[in-house]
Amino acid sequence: GQSLEQPSEVTAVEGAIVQINCTYQTSGFYGLSWYQQHDGGAPTFLSYNALDGLEETGRFSSFLSRSDSYGYLLLQELQMKDSASYFCAVKNQAGTALIFGKGTTLSVSS
Amino acid sequence: NAGVTQTPKFRVLKTGQSMTLLCAQDMNHEYMYWYRQDPGMGLRLIHYSVGEGTTAKGEVPDGYNVSRLKKQNFLLGLESAAPSQTSVYFCASSTDRIRSTDTQYFGPGTRLTVL
Repeated sequence: GQSLEQPSEVTAVEGAIVQINCTYQTSGFYGLSWYQQHDGGAPTFLSYNALDGLEETGRFSSFLSRSDSYGYLLLQELQMKDSASYFCAVKNQAGTALIFGKGTTLSVSS
Repeated sequence: NAGVTQTPKFRVLKTGQSMTLLCAQDMNHEYMYWYRQDPGMGLRLIHYSVGEGTTAKGEVPDGYNVSRLKKQNFLLGLESAAPSQTSVYFCASSTDRIRSTDTQYFGPGTRLTVL
């Protein structure tokens, strides 16, 4: 089956850079996704990596190393509004549904 | 477009009662999903559907049933609610492109308490 590991909590200050790691074990790999969820809200899509390397979208970047079964989400120039939970996810073996990690709660302080 | 909507937003049940959660999407997506979210457990897949008339089990299907009679709707049923089913339930939908970004769009959630 699919399983993912990510830290439960990360803290940082405004303006800093933070990296949230994710390691995974899968039977069949289609790519690694990242979702953001603010407290009380719905998860929203952030990024997707199917190939090795870095994908950049504004202040957020995501990295994937398929040989290491490892990826990370990099958040730069942190803002208070970045305080949220971040989930990495992989598809199930059939490629028909996402399996999520338990999430990393990021707290940004001033 | 409303995106993904869920009904109801909140519900309190007594043990043994039944209820149905409704999810609707107006994006013509083929795939729809039901997740539950509990503190410290992330999002766990309950059931999903890859098209009208089809359903499949996810990670935690026991105690739930689903139906996808219309492409735009995905129903989650609890036949005999238990306190362990107290959770926040999220519905999501996506296109059917397996080897792609295949972004999932989530509804606002239903907060269910079973006493």
